[in-house]
Amino acid sequence: QKEVEQDPGPLSVPEGAIVSLNCTYSNSAFQYFMWYRQYSRKGPELLMYTYSSGNKEDGRFTAQVDKSSKYISLFIRDSQPSDSATYLCAMSGGTNAGKSTFGDGTTLTVKP
Amino acid sequence: NAGVTQTPKFQVLKTGQSMTLQCAQDMNHNSMYWYRQDPGMGLRLIYYSASEGTTDKGEVPNGYNVSRLNKREFSLRLESAAPSQTSVYFCASSEAMGPGNIFGSGTRLTVV
Repeated sequence: QKEVEQDPGPLSVPEGAIVSLNCTYSNSAFQYFMWYRQYSRKGPELLMYTYSSGNKEDGRFTAQVDKSSKYISLFIRDSQPSDSATYLCAMSGGTNAGKSTFGDGTTLTVKP
Repeated sequence: NAGVTQTPKFQVLKTGQSMTLQCAQDMNHNSMYWYRQDPGMGLRLIYYSASEGTTDKGEVPNGYNVSRLNKREFSLRLESAAPSQTSVYFCASSEAMGPGNIFGSGTRLTVV
């Protein structure tokens, strides 16, 4: 079993919809929870990260972490066609927080 | 700011050939990483360097070697390329073992 499981998608929504992207994990040592956006044939771009449990908001994006359930989510409000990309969750912990374990990604398409 | 620069962007190798993938960052980051990304398998860590002068194996190190040449540069070497090493390779960096990686644009490697 993988340490990080991500809803595989693909996901297709109309413009303006609220999008929910989700990951579960099994390693209790994870303390940092990241979301990356990756456009086709580009490198991943860090959207935001959260330490431990709780919510974090950045514009239209909200990250939620529930450590008790080992479940994290990224919500995108008022989705735009420019949000069409693959979204990767990643997690890390221990002495090297930069050493990340990634989910396989969810491909999102926002239709005008 | 260039961020993380990878060369080359594309490469085709024959089985058994060797090559070195170059990576340089200009953000004064201490930690650097090499990942590979295969379709449907997300990003997997090959090797990382927590700081100048140190390197450690990641999840999938077999068939690779690395060199942390200085604080800016971290190279990945394939000594005898195999078709199973066909992948997209990403270099990344982070502040001293901090969470969240800044990625380069990738090297698309095909081994025939």
